[in-house]
Amino acid sequence: EEQLVESGGGLVQPGRSLKLSCAASGFTFDNHGMHWVRQAPGKGLEWVSGISWNSGRIAYADSVKGRFTISRDNAKNSLYLQMNSLRTEDMALYYCTKVTHDYGGYFESWGQGTLVTVSS
Amino acid sequence: NFMLTQPHSVSESPGKTVTISCTRSSGSIASNYVQWYQQRPGSSPTTVIYEDNQRPSGVPDRFSGSIDSSSNSASLTISGLQTEDEADYYCQSSDGVNHRRVFGGGTRLTVL
Repeated sequence: EEQLVESGGGLVQPGRSLKLSCAASGFTFDNHGMHWVRQAPGKGLEWVSGISWNSGRIAYADSVKGRFTISRDNAKNSLYLQMNSLRTEDMALYYCTKVTHDYGGYFESWGQGTLVTVSS
Repeated sequence: NFMLTQPHSVSESPGKTVTISCTRSSGSIASNYVQWYQQRPGSSPTTVIYEDNQRPSGVPDRFSGSIDSSSNSASLTISGLQTEDEADYYCQSSDGVNHRRVFGGGTRLTVL
């Protein structure tokens, strides 16, 4: 069974950093692109960032570009999101998602999310 | 960059049919596939339609998707509504130029 388990969320002050992790299992991790999608409390889904199977293609939403860095370690079946200079508007549930292809395709699997709270 | 616009909410009675629209602000709706995700309260999203009109295994054929180039929009139609269909539905497409993904704002479906 495919599984995506996020971790690393928590309470952080504005301007500080946090690194999210996503542990993948049940599928061949390095065959698939991976993305982060977030959802602010009571709001809709927002795509954050995506990375291709070999890290050769990376993209970010304008709202996080220059502050967030996506990466992956295929040897560890893990996806990461380094979040710097956090703002109150970054507060959200962050989902790790797997897409059907090496970068494209649809969001086929989702984790349960890890909550990031940005507050002083 | 383009936007996908959905109605905030729709409601319909059990057994009836409902259609949720998703309108693309610029560029052709046909230029990139549209997906639809269902999110029940307290749960992660799941796919109900991919590549405009394809259903993942396990999704009942009461769910169907289509695109309409004349209105530059995509639609999700749910027939034979059941109370379990009550959820938030999001359309999603891709910006092929910059490799980004775009979500619509979501539509809350109430089955009353």
